[in-house]
Amino acid sequence: AQSVTQLDSQVPVFEEAPVELRCNYSSSVSVYLFWYVQYPNQGLQLLLKYLSGSTLVESINGFEAEFNKSQTSFHLRKPSVHISDTAEYFCAVRTPYTSGNTPLVFGKGTRLSVIA
Amino acid sequence: ETGVTQSPTHLIKTRGQQVTLRCSSQSGHNTVSWYQQALGQGPQFIFQYYREEENGRGNFPPRFSGLQFPNYSSELNVNALELDDSALYLCASSLFRGNNYGYTFGSGTRLTVV
Repeated sequence: AQSVTQLDSQVPVFEEAPVELRCNYSSSVSVYLFWYVQYPNQGLQLLLKYLSGSTLVESINGFEAEFNKSQTSFHLRKPSVHISDTAEYFCAVRTPYTSGNTPLVFGKGTRLSVIA
Repeated sequence: ETGVTQSPTHLIKTRGQQVTLRCSSQSGHNTVSWYQQALGQGPQFIFQYYREEENGRGNFPPRFSGLQFPNYSSELNVNALELDDSALYLCASSLFRGNNYGYTFGSGTRLTVV
């Protein structure tokens, strides 16, 4: 079974400052890793994913995450945040499917609040 | 390409009642998964449907049941509602054995049990 720990439930940060949202996972097998964002009263949107290959993955809106197998981590970073980045961020894992789609296992989320 | 549509957006039910939530999958997707997101928590997997059959289930009691229809849309039914069932219910569609990241989520149904 897999589990995901998001180490910070809330992260306040000033606009244009850098931010890191931490995510650690536990799994006895290899996993795929994801970050989802949830804006108020909305569903989940995929921010970025790691399936294989380069351990540094980037999103189109400036976020990046680095897969660290030895640390079992997949921390999310952004060098300069905007007010519009205020949202709930969820780290998730799933195992590569063998006979079908495997479910996502989510962390409890980190609420990022960007302060003007 | 249409996204995932869920209805209703909000719902208030009384303890002991039954509820049905609906989900229309994204065009081209043939698998539907349901997740429960309690307040302040991450989403938890309820079950998944493929070819109109349950194809995986999380740690939820049998009073949580579902259906998938030939057009790949789906329903989530919850019987004998309990106060702890109050949550945001998210539907996600994907392509079976398709993209490994290809989950598209709907905006959810907010269920309040009083």
